Amino acid sequence: AQSVTQLDSQVPVFEEAPVELRCNYSSSVSVYLFWYVQYPNQGLQLLLKYLSGSTLVKGINGFEAEFNKSQTSFHLRKPSVHISDTAEYFCAVSTISNFGNEKLTFGTGTRLTIIP
Amino acid sequence: DARVTQTPRHKVTEMGQEVTMRCQPILGHNTVFWYRQTMMQGLELLAYFRNRAPLDDSGMPKDRFSAEMPDATLATLKIQPSEPRDSAVYFCASGFRNEQFFGPGTRLTVL
Repeated sequence: AQSVTQLDSQVPVFEEAPVELRCNYSSSVSVYLFWYVQYPNQGLQLLLKYLSGSTLVKGINGFEAEFNKSQTSFHLRKPSVHISDTAEYFCAVSTISNFGNEKLTFGTGTRLTIIP
Repeated sequence: DARVTQTPRHKVTEMGQEVTMRCQPILGHNTVFWYRQTMMQGLELLAYFRNRAPLDDSGMPKDRFSAEMPDATLATLKIQPSEPRDSAVYFCASGFRNEQFFGPGTRLTVL
């Protein structure tokens, strides 16, 4: 079984400042890693994913994340945030299979609030 | 722009009533997931299908919940009878190449 820990439930950040949202996972097998964003009253949208290869992954809206296997972490970063980045961010993992698209296990989410 | 659609978007019902939620996955996606989101439990998987076959429904209360895919264009989640603790947002997602695309959700309120 897998588990995902997002230690920060809320992160307030001033506009144009950098931000890091932390994610740690636990799994006895190799996993794929994902970050999703949820805007108010909407579904989840994929920001980025790590499947293999380079441990630094770039996503949409200027976000990037780094996979660290030794620390079992997948922290999300953005060098300069905008008001429009205000949302809830979810880290998730899935097991790896030949079929692809296994179920996601989500963290509890981090609410990012951008302060003007 | 292909999207996952869900109906209804909002549903208010009384305890004991049957509730059916529908999902139209993106054409060509072979995997369909049902997730539930609540403040207390967060996002949790209820069930999922691959090529219309159920793979895992261990997250569903079996006595009242049922999930089906009558065809490749429709997935349904049914609750009978509904209870106040079922109040939540229910998301459908369809999957392709290790990416899941989420619908807008059905917000269910059981009074």
